[in-house]
Amino acid sequence: QSVLTQPPSASGTPGQRVTISCSGSSSNIGSNTVNWYQQLPGTAPKFLIYSNNQRPSGVPDRFSGSKSGTSASLAISGLQSEDEADYYCATWDDSLNGVVFGGGTKLTVL
Amino acid sequence: EVQLVESGGGLVKPGGSLRLSCAASGFTFSLHSMNWVRQAPGKGLEWVSSISSSGSYIYNADSVKGRFTISRDNAKNSLYLQMNSLRAEDTAVYYCAREVDATSGKFDYWGQGTLVTVSS
Repeated sequence: QSVLTQPPSASGTPGQRVTISCSGSSSNIGSNTVNWYQQLPGTAPKFLIYSNNQRPSGVPDRFSGSKSGTSASLAISGLQSEDEADYYCATWDDSLNGVVFGGGTKLTVL
Repeated sequence: EVQLVESGGGLVKPGGSLRLSCAASGFTFSLHSMNWVRQAPGKGLEWVSSISSSGSYIYNADSVKGRFTISRDNAKNSLYLQMNSLRAEDTAVYYCAREVDATSGKFDYWGQGTLVTVSS
């Protein structure tokens, strides 16, 4: 059972916009910024979004993040086949004194 | 170019020990907190342990407290994870990850991972 809750799966067709939610509590998302990672099959995770809505250099602006209260979201617009991957949210938890991840969302591009 | 290269994984019996290493290059290692994150086969990411840039602050997941010890050698640009009393549920790919800001969960660079299998 992950501390952060994500839907196990999401899907969309090429060109569509999809969103992935990440729900937490006051000790994690409610008091710290949220980061997102993309993991393509058989590879290490990739830094996708940090500090709720910032994109590292090289990440397309099709990817965006937001946070409200104890929840966060990742949005992918103009969906492409290469976006098919697992997506994870993560943040620091002040009560657990550690990093917590969501369970991951498997995105399928139909 | 930032590079993180893990080594030391392998097959170990339950109750056994293993020491993982992560060799860092391409950045000033001593300025960054470093972490270990693992992923069991077919499962999600699980944070394991974090160590501050100087090594003064260490945080561990409850699942490994008392069994795993994170350490670093800034002179050798290396991160370590000593794993004792290993259990079947510790079977996973172990990644080392550089943290942008301490205690933030912002991991901007990851290694390729090293597989640890705990089985009799």
